[in-house]
Amino acid sequence: IAGITQAPTSQILAAGRRMTLRCTQDMRHNAMYWYRQDLGLGLRLIHYSNTAGTTGKGEVPDGYSVSRANTDDFPLTLASAVPSQTSVYFCASSDSEQGYGYTFGSGTRLTVV
Amino acid sequence: KNQVEQSPQSLIILEGKNCTLQCNYTVSPFSNLRWYKQDTGRGPVSLTIMTFSENTKSNGRYTATLDADTKQSSLHITASQLSDSASYICVVSALLAAGGGNKLTFGTGTQLKVEL
Repeated sequence: IAGITQAPTSQILAAGRRMTLRCTQDMRHNAMYWYRQDLGLGLRLIHYSNTAGTTGKGEVPDGYSVSRANTDDFPLTLASAVPSQTSVYFCASSDSEQGYGYTFGSGTRLTVV
Repeated sequence: KNQVEQSPQSLIILEGKNCTLQCNYTVSPFSNLRWYKQDTGRGPVSLTIMTFSENTKSNGRYTATLDADTKQSSLHITASQLSDSASYICVVSALLAAGGGNKLTFGTGTQLKVEL
């Protein structure tokens, strides 16, 4: 089934630990994104990649890093997790500059304790 | 600052009834406006997407309207069903400079509950 796969579905992580959230798409979309969703706030962009080999910072990039080695994969890494990074993380992809065909994954619920 | 405001924050309606959700935005340069449905524990799923020149678009029992002059949009749900219970998110896209992609600004959503 075409779409975006995120892993893990949920995770409890000790503060200070390193964690990589995985995201894979099979739609050959050029652009990929990472968002976080917190209660009472709209989704906020963490990092994005318009095409393989390039990445950019979004609205809330601090404490996160990404890489885009190929079209399909866009992992998000928390180098040293802090409790404020407790959130639901969504990966998304789109197939055009205007963002048509925007598709979201099912999310990763991360709790940092 | 680009902003998207939705109202009401939450809404409870009886099955079979209609409802209308509102979205006001201050986003420029405007590219398109989307409505998403997000079920609990799931990612958002697109319902409609409208460009500047479109003022209405339907997807089954969902009808979205757009007034680009007043920067307002609405999502009308007809003959609601229990499965319509979800968060409905208004998202406005600003087109960045050529090659820069697009920037999405998300509303905080309207939480709809449909009851028997």
